[in-house]
Amino acid sequence: DAKTTQPNSMESNEEEPVHLPCNHSTISGTDYIHWYRQLPSQGPEYVIHGLTSNVNNRMASLAIAEDRKSSTLILHRATLRDAAVYYCILRASTGNQFYFGTGTSLTVIP
Amino acid sequence: KAGVTQTPRYLIKTRGQQVTLSCSPISGHRSVSWYQQTPGQGLQFLFEYFSETQRNKGNFPGRFSGRQFSNSRSEMNVSTLELGDSALYLCASSLSAGGSYEQYFGPGTRLTVT
Repeated sequence: DAKTTQPNSMESNEEEPVHLPCNHSTISGTDYIHWYRQLPSQGPEYVIHGLTSNVNNRMASLAIAEDRKSSTLILHRATLRDAAVYYCILRASTGNQFYFGTGTSLTVIP
Repeated sequence: KAGVTQTPRYLIKTRGQQVTLSCSPISGHRSVSWYQQTPGQGLQFLFEYFSETQRNKGNFPGRFSGRQFSNSRSEMNVSTLELGDSALYLCASSLSAGGSYEQYFGPGTRLTVT
């Protein structure tokens, strides 16, 4: 699986939008882009995933660059409960292994 | 629908012993993956099972093994425990194998080796 690069940490004010970037320059045409987050002392939680088109769900939006070499997870209004480590992962269309990078630790400031 | 469950949640073992961890996936999910999480190495993939067959294996020694039963429940076993095996072991399930499917993680089993 291709690797991803994310900033180590980011801060956001509560109730403001947050844009979490991810670079994946070696992505292949069949790799899906997945985002998970992990709160302290919990297992990772699925956030969103996509292949080529932008995706929206109740938790977040995923914006995928046209060349697919980068993507951005968008939390529309950060809450204190969104403070977590966010992982951007690439997953091949076949096979089920996930390779997590170091992720981005998001701090939400009240 | 119940989430992924893992038992036990906490475990303390001595070096040289072996341990078996259990994972029950979400009902209807046929793929189960295992991960090890440590402060130093982060989250690392161990192996993945689908329909009772191991499909992929991470870069771990042969002391780490697993299996999946016909009801999709899975177990992983670590033999001859070492201090470095102390970690949070996470299980995740998905409907099927493949990148188009999201995974749902359990709370993990915290293993401490003394």
